[in-house]
Amino acid sequence: GIQVEQSPPDLILQEGANSTLRCNFSDSVNNLQWFHQNPWGQLINLFYIPSGTKQNGRLSATTVATERYSLLYISSSQTTDSGVYFCAVGRKTGANNLFFGTGTRLTVIP
Amino acid sequence: NAGVTQTPKFQVLKTGQSMTLQCAQDMNHEYMSWYRQDPGMGLRLIHYSVGAGITDQGEVPNGYNVSRSTTEDFPLRLLSAAPSQTSVYFCASSYSGQGGTEAFFGQGTRLTVV
Repeated sequence: GIQVEQSPPDLILQEGANSTLRCNFSDSVNNLQWFHQNPWGQLINLFYIPSGTKQNGRLSATTVATERYSLLYISSSQTTDSGVYFCAVGRKTGANNLFFGTGTRLTVIP
Repeated sequence: NAGVTQTPKFQVLKTGQSMTLQCAQDMNHEYMSWYRQDPGMGLRLIHYSVGAGITDQGEVPNGYNVSRSTTEDFPLRLLSAAPSQTSVYFCASSYSGQGGTEAFFGQGTRLTVV
């Protein structure tokens, strides 16, 4: 499979602070998604971003496919941003199977 | 907008019992898959299907069975539950194709085997 490494593994922020989460992967991909797993365990789609840059409110993401990494930016963090952020990637060939990293656990304190 | 629906949300089984986790999607997606999530880890692929009548194994298929008789449904069967199958199970669906498409996940089933 594809190796996916996420950093940092844990992050504690004061409310209002900004952060950058990183995802490195070991092979060419045609699918890259960022998810937020909330404290109730639900996986929320944040971005589908196999390449380029996207923004959605306080969140934005950039994927540089040729260099095999993606970044998730969170600005002006809020306590509701707490949870685990997962990066998942899929190969250029074959079915749309996803390989997940082990996640970044974000805790935002008031 | 139901999306991907999993039932049940919680289940406790005794070792050796069998059960079926249900997954249904209403987006007419060809591709469906099952993942398991263990503490402190990302999700790992169990089985997947690229269309009705077609299934294949993922990374951790042992102890699980699947079938795909319709586009909408993709049940996961545990034939003889073991404590090692205690996990949270997620079902996902997406359009198929090598172009890569966005996957959507159900809300998960938390399974405990005692």
